[in-house]
Amino acid sequence: AQSVAQPEDQVNVAEGNPLTVKCTYSVSGNPYLFWYVQYPNRGLQFLLKYITGDNLVKGSYGFEAEFNKSQTSFHLKKPSALVSDSALYFCAVRGGGYQKVTFGTGTKLQVIP
Amino acid sequence: ETGVTQTPRHLVMGMTNKKSLKCEQHLGHNAMYWYKQSAKKPLELMFVYNFKEQTENNSVPSRFSPECPNSSHLFLHLHTLQPEDSALYLCASSSKTGGNSPGETQYFGPGTRLLVL
Repeated sequence: AQSVAQPEDQVNVAEGNPLTVKCTYSVSGNPYLFWYVQYPNRGLQFLLKYITGDNLVKGSYGFEAEFNKSQTSFHLKKPSALVSDSALYFCAVRGGGYQKVTFGTGTKLQVIP
Repeated sequence: ETGVTQTPRHLVMGMTNKKSLKCEQHLGHNAMYWYKQSAKKPLELMFVYNFKEQTENNSVPSRFSPECPNSSHLFLHLHTLQPEDSALYLCASSSKTGGNSPGETQYFGPGTRLLVL
């Protein structure tokens, strides 16, 4: 079975500061990792994904994520947070040959002006 | 906009009512999904359709009945629901599903907020 853990229910960061939203995973074989963002009253929007290759993945809105195989982590990062980044962030994983995408419970990011 | 639309956006129904949720994708995708989103819980995959054929039913109670008449439309028929079924129901689509394309991206609609009284 595959699983995703987002250890923080909420992350608070001051505007302009760097932000990190944590994600760890468990999967058989090579992982395919995703980050999605959900703004209030909206569906999930795709941010970025890791399939293979460079461990640092760049995505939409200035976000990036670093794949760390030894730590089985895929943390989401941004160098300078904006108030408009406040939203719910979901990490997801899919193992090769496994049809389902498994989502984490989500982390609420609050950027304080 | 992601190219996936859902109607209605909000729905209140009694436990004896019958209602349907509709999803439409304008992306030319072949796979469509229903998810249930409840507070503080991971997204729960309910159903997967691939080329109009149901490929996954994730142990969903029979009071939820999906229908996929073509690759662009997906319905979720609801009857005799329980209050614990109140949640946000999300539809998603992707170009295809299956083990050969695990890295494909799913595109989500805005969801239907369902309240069962």
